[in-house]
Amino acid sequence: AQSVSQHNHHVILSEAASLELGCNYSYGGTVNLFWYVQYPGQHLQLLLKYFSGDPLVKGIKGFEAEFIKSKFSFNLRKPSVQWSDTAEYFCAVNAPERDDKIIFGKGTRLHILP
Amino acid sequence: GAGVSQSPSNKVTEKGKDVELRCDPISGHTALYWYRQSLGQGLEFLIYFQGNSAPDKSGLPSDRFSAERTGGSVSTLTIQRTQQEDSAVYLCASSAQGTALYEQYFGPGTRLTVT
Repeated sequence: AQSVSQHNHHVILSEAASLELGCNYSYGGTVNLFWYVQYPGQHLQLLLKYFSGDPLVKGIKGFEAEFIKSKFSFNLRKPSVQWSDTAEYFCAVNAPERDDKIIFGKGTRLHILP
Repeated sequence: GAGVSQSPSNKVTEKGKDVELRCDPISGHTALYWYRQSLGQGLEFLIYFQGNSAPDKSGLPSDRFSAERTGGSVSTLTIQRTQQEDSAVYLCASSAQGTALYEQYFGPGTRLTVT
C-alpha cells in the first residue's frame, strides 16, 4: 500500500525566509500528489496538486512543489514566507491504478515568526 | 454556496457508549470520505463512498466502526462501545466525483473526546 512520509514535524522560520517541506511517498506506479493546508481554526484546503505534465506545479499563495519521480519526492517550496503562512501542511498521495483513496502524511506544523 | 457541514462540532462521551457523527456533503457531490485526525498522526483514512458503489471500508480500525450514506447524500459514522483511543477529530470530505482528480472539500470536523 502507498504511504507518505513528511520528515519535518515542526518548522519555525522568520518572515522572508525560504521554505522547503519534505515529502516522500512509497509507491512504484503512477501517482497523483497533493499538498493540503490547514490554517488555524480553518478547514483543510487544497494548496496544489500534481497529476501529470510539468513536474513543477504552482499553487495558491506563491507555493510550488516539484515532483521528482526518481526520488519519490514532492517537496513544497516558497521563496519568502509570511506570518500568514503559519499553518499545518499535509502531503498526500493517490495511486489511481489501485483506487481513489488519498493517503495523507502526518503533517508539518509551520510557525512563522513576525 | 454551502460547504461540507458536520455535527456535532464537539462530542464528549463516556467510555463504552455509542456515538453517531453526521456529515452533510456539498450538494451534488457523489464522493464522500471520512478521516480521523489524531495529534501527531495526520489524517487517517477511514471509509469512502462513491455513488451507488459498495463503500471502501479498508480504513476502519475495528468492527466497532461503521458508516452509512443514505440517499447518496448525508453520511453517519457510528462508533460503538467507544474507547479512549477513539478520541480524535473526525473529518468528512466530499468531492464532485469519485476519482482523486477532483478536489476534496473538507468539513470543520467533529472533535470526539472519550472519558
